[in-house]
Amino acid sequence: AQSVTQPDIHITVSEGASLELRCNYSYGATPYLFWYVQSPGQGLQLLLKYFSGDTLVQGIKGFEAEFKRSQSSFNLRKPSVHWSDAAEYFCAVGTVYNTDKLIFGTGTRLQVFP
Amino acid sequence: GAVVSQHPSRVICKSGTSVKIECRSLDFQATTMFWYRQFPKQSLMLMATSNEGSKATYEQGVEKDKFLINHASLTLSTLTVTSAHPEDSSFYICSALCPGLIDQETQYFGPGTRLLVL
Repeated sequence: AQSVTQPDIHITVSEGASLELRCNYSYGATPYLFWYVQSPGQGLQLLLKYFSGDTLVQGIKGFEAEFKRSQSSFNLRKPSVHWSDAAEYFCAVGTVYNTDKLIFGTGTRLQVFP
Repeated sequence: GAVVSQHPSRVICKSGTSVKIECRSLDFQATTMFWYRQFPKQSLMLMATSNEGSKATYEQGVEKDKFLINHASLTLSTLTVTSAHPEDSSFYICSALCPGLIDQETQYFGPGTRLLVL
C-alpha cells in the first residue's frame, strides 16, 4: 500500500532564509504527488502537483518541488521564506489505479521568525 | 477557479443532536467529493468518498450510520453527524475532485467545519 512520510514535524526558519520540506513516498509505480498548505483553522490550499513530465514543478507563492524517482522523494522548496508562509504543510500521494484517494503525510509545521 | 465552500464554518451543539455540514463546489461540477476528519495537530483522515447519485464509500472503521453522506447534485454533498457526542468533536474538511484534462485528479478543499459537541 502507498504511504507518505514527512520526516520533519516542525521546522523553524528565519524570514528570508531558504526552505526545504521533505516528503518521501512509497508506491511501486509513478505516483501523483501534491503539496498542500493549511493555515490555522483553515482548509487546505493546493501549492503544486506532479503528474508527469518535467520533474521540477513550479507552484504558487514562489514554491517549487522536485520529483526524484530514485529517492522516492518530492521535496518542497522556497528560496526565500516570508512570515506569511508560516503554516502546516502536507504532502500527499495519489495513484494511477486509485486516483480519487489521497494519502496524506503527517504534516510539517513551519514557523518563521522575523 | 476550483473553489469549494463549506457551511457552517463552526457549529456548537448539545450531545445527542444531529448536525449537517454542506460542501459545495462553486465553479465546477464534481461527481466525486470526499470527507475528511482532522484531529488537532494531526493529518487528514479520509472518512468517505461521496459519488453523485450513488451511495458513499466509507473507509474502514467509519460508521456509515453515524456519518450520513448525501451527494444529491453535482455541486453539493452533505455530511450529517447523527446523535453527535463529544468524541465527534473535530475539524471536518471536504474536498471536490476537479474533472477534466487540465486539472485532472486534483482535489480542491473546502475551508473546513469546526464541530464542538458539548
